[in-house]
Amino acid sequence: DAGVIQSPRHEVTEMGQEVTLRCKPISGHDYLFWYRQTMMRGLELLIYFNNNVPIDDSGMPEDRFSAKMPNASFSTLKIQPSEPRDSAVYFCASSLGRGGNNSPLHFGNGTRLTVT
Amino acid sequence: LAKTTQPISMDSYEGQEVNITCSHNNIATNDYITWYQQFPSQGPRFIIQGYKTKVTNEVASLFIPADRKSSTLSLPRVSLSDTAVYYCLVGVNRDDKIIFGKGTRLHILP
Repeated sequence: DAGVIQSPRHEVTEMGQEVTLRCKPISGHDYLFWYRQTMMRGLELLIYFNNNVPIDDSGMPEDRFSAKMPNASFSTLKIQPSEPRDSAVYFCASSLGRGGNNSPLHFGNGTRLTVT
Repeated sequence: LAKTTQPISMDSYEGQEVNITCSHNNIATNDYITWYQQFPSQGPRFIIQGYKTKVTNEVASLFIPADRKSSTLSLPRVSLSDTAVYYCLVGVNRDDKIIFGKGTRLHILP
C-alpha cells in the first residue's frame, strides 16, 4: 500500500500564475477529500468526492479554485490566478466509506504552496 | 458531526503517560470516536478508533466511559517523537463532511 501520493511536495509561484496540485488516492478508496491548512485557520475542508463525483464544494474559497477527479486514481486542485493569501499546505485524503465511522481518512504528505 | 472539545495544548516529560481527554456531549448512537496525530510537515495520521469501553493498539489506548460523552486518548511512556497535534473526531455529518477542530498540541520535554 503506497498510501496517498501528492505532488509536488513544494510549489513556489508568483501571484497571478496558475497552480495545479495533484493527488493519487489509495486504490479502492471511494472518497477523496481536499483540505487546506494554515496556522490561522487550521485544517479546512475544501471539497470532497464520492466515486469521482464532487459532492460538496462549499469549502472552496472562491471561483479561483477548482477541483476535478477524472477517474478513481487521480484528482487535481487548481488555483487560477493564485494570490499570496492562497499560501498554505494543501492535503489530499482518501477513505473507504464515509471517512468517519469505522472508515478513517488516509492523508498524503501535502503540498506546501507559497505564492509571492 | 458531534462537536468536540479538547485542550488546546499540553506539556509532558519523556517516559510519562499522557492522557488527552475529549468531550463530545452530543455524540449520536452510531458514532465512532476517532483520533488522529499530526507531526510537523506531515498530514494527519489515524491512530485509533473506538465505539465503547477500551481499545488498545501498538500506539495508544482509547478509553470510553459508558455514557460515551467523553473519551481519553492514552499514550504510554511518551518520547520526544510523540510531540504532535492530536485531533479528536466524532461521527460524520449526514452530508459526509469530516471537519477537524484545532486539536491538542502536545509538547514532550526531555
